[in-house]
Amino acid sequence: KAGVTQTPRYLIKTRGQQVTLSCSPISGHRSVSWYQQTPGQGLQFLFEYFSETQRNKGNFPGRFSGRQFSNSRSEMNVSTLELGDSALYLCASSPWTGRGGTFGSGTRLTVV
Amino acid sequence: GENVEQHPSTLSVQEGDSAVIKCTYSDSASNYFPWYKQELGKRPQLIIDIRSNVGEKKDQRIAVTLNKTAKHFSLHITETQPEDSAVYFCAAPTSNTGKLIFGQGTTLQVKP
Repeated sequence: KAGVTQTPRYLIKTRGQQVTLSCSPISGHRSVSWYQQTPGQGLQFLFEYFSETQRNKGNFPGRFSGRQFSNSRSEMNVSTLELGDSALYLCASSPWTGRGGTFGSGTRLTVV
Repeated sequence: GENVEQHPSTLSVQEGDSAVIKCTYSDSASNYFPWYKQELGKRPQLIIDIRSNVGEKKDQRIAVTLNKTAKHFSLHITETQPEDSAVYFCAAPTSNTGKLIFGQGTTLQVKP
């Protein structure tokens, strides 16, 4: 059974640009959650999607957005990138909402 | 409020000793408490979880206890081994939204 796949693994962007990250969940999992991980702030919840609907949202500015497709794959978009957005972005999939679940390997975003 | 406090932030033990990590949550209606292990450069992995209708759960050398009255839960690792060295995260969902809030993490070092 394939795990959670995140693409790309690494990304370098310039301030002001926008970026889209992708997460393919485990087959059959309908929940996809996104987290930002930084050394100082730990794992911060961004949002969760379940059956194409955003179920929960963390305390991040509107520059952070996401969506989920009918095949449960999810994308996360960050517009007008700031230096502070440099982080490891992790997604996790689960059959149920609010359960965290299985994490992908993450996308390492560096904003210069 | 939404808060999960985790202690200690670092823990160093000798191989064979036990390790205990404690988390306190603020939402009394939280009903699910997972623990994740994250090795250096790798994704967080779910190692054990407990639901609010259970006081203790064991899986080989790992156990989790839950005290609903005091709103805290703990991870117990017995007979520690060097491969247990990692960062451990606890988490709890908020009752009204179900989003998962993570503790700040505990860096466990097991000295051979």
